[in-house]
Amino acid sequence: KAGVTQTPRYLIKTRGQQVTLSCSPISGHRSVSWYQQTPGQGLQFLFEYFSETQRNKGNFPGRFSGRQFSNSRSEMNVSTLELGDSALYLCASSLGPDRTTEAFFGQGTRLTVV
Amino acid sequence: GENVEQHPSTLSVQEGDSAVIKCTYSDSASNYFPWYKQELGKRPQLIIDIRSNVGEKKDQRIAVTLNKTAKHFSLHITETQPEDSAVYFCAAVSGGGADGLTFGKGTHLIIQP
Repeated sequence: KAGVTQTPRYLIKTRGQQVTLSCSPISGHRSVSWYQQTPGQGLQFLFEYFSETQRNKGNFPGRFSGRQFSNSRSEMNVSTLELGDSALYLCASSLGPDRTTEAFFGQGTRLTVV
Repeated sequence: GENVEQHPSTLSVQEGDSAVIKCTYSDSASNYFPWYKQELGKRPQLIIDIRSNVGEKKDQRIAVTLNKTAKHFSLHITETQPEDSAVYFCAAVSGGGADGLTFGKGTHLIIQP
């Protein structure tokens, strides 16, 4: 069974640009969550999707958005990039909708904003 | 919302000794507490979890304890080995399951040979 796949693995963008990251969950998983990981801050929750609906949103500016497709694949978009957006972006999938089941993480997308 | 505090941020122990990492949470309705291990350059992976109706859970050298009254939970690793070196994150599902995972900031565990 394939794990959670995130593409691309690495990205370098310039301030002011926008970026789209993709996450393919484990087959059969319908819940996808996104996290931003930076040194010293741990994993900060961005948003959670289940069956194409956003169920929960973290405390991030509106420049961060996401969506989920009917096949459960998810994308997140960051517009007007800032230097502080440089981070590892992780997605995690779970069977859903029960949040007390194991979340499986992808390898992440390393975003560098210059 | 939920707030999870994790201590220490760095822990160095001699190989073979025990390691303990502690977390506290703020939402008394939190009902699920997983622990994730992240090795350098790799994805976080679940190593053990505990639900609010259980006080302790063990899996070989790893154990987790939960004190609902005090709102804290701990990870215990016995007979530490070099492969235990990693960053460990505690987390809580708050709102009785209505909210998502809130993570602590992580503990960098270093096993000294």
